[in-house]
Amino acid sequence: RKEVEQDPGPFNVPEGATVAFNCTYSNSASQSFFWYRQDCRKEPKLLMSVYSSGNEDGRFTAQLNRASQYISLLIRDSKLSDSATYLCAAPSYNTDKLIFGTGTRLQVFP
Amino acid sequence: NAGVMQNPRHLVRRRGQEARLRCSPMKGHSHVYWYRQLPEEGLKFMVYLQKENIIDESGMPKERFSAEFPKEGPSILRIQQVVRGDSAAYFCASSPPQGSTYEQYFGPGTRLTVT
Repeated sequence: RKEVEQDPGPFNVPEGATVAFNCTYSNSASQSFFWYRQDCRKEPKLLMSVYSSGNEDGRFTAQLNRASQYISLLIRDSKLSDSATYLCAAPSYNTDKLIFGTGTRLQVFP
Repeated sequence: NAGVMQNPRHLVRRRGQEARLRCSPMKGHSHVYWYRQLPEEGLKFMVYLQKENIIDESGMPKERFSAEFPKEGPSILRIQQVVRGDSAAYFCASSPPQGSTYEQYFGPGTRLTVT
């Protein structure tokens, strides 16, 4: 099983829609998780950090489900500018590195 | 406060030449990570370094690739005798000292093209 797994998508949603992505992780000892946004041919940019049950920032909500070992990212009122690839990341088992999922592509259409 | 800096942004090399990619971490950050990304694929971890130490190089190919983070100056990822399959985007990320956070901040990347 991969340490971090994501549905690659793409998710095609209309403007104004609510969309959610899930990301499963295998390291049950992980205490922190991250969502990054990556635009085409750009570097990943940190979107949200999740250290406990969840985190909210405007239209974005990240939640952690420890029992089922997944994190989710919810985007409300989608904008065209939200179109990007969303990467989740979790610490590896025994080193201080992050393991990234392959990313979920979101396309918001007018 | 400048972010993570990488140079060059674009690098073209012929097969058999050497490629040197540089990364300067954010101010106050002492951990550096290198990743490779092929088109339409995810980030692949290559190596994790602290000043003068390689902590984890489990993602580095066994031959032709090396990395360093000297006491002074940027971290360098070196690829010897490049082949077409080395063409990719190479991203560097940095994070604060161990124990504070796992948050990593990425540089703009170096796009290597091998002709």
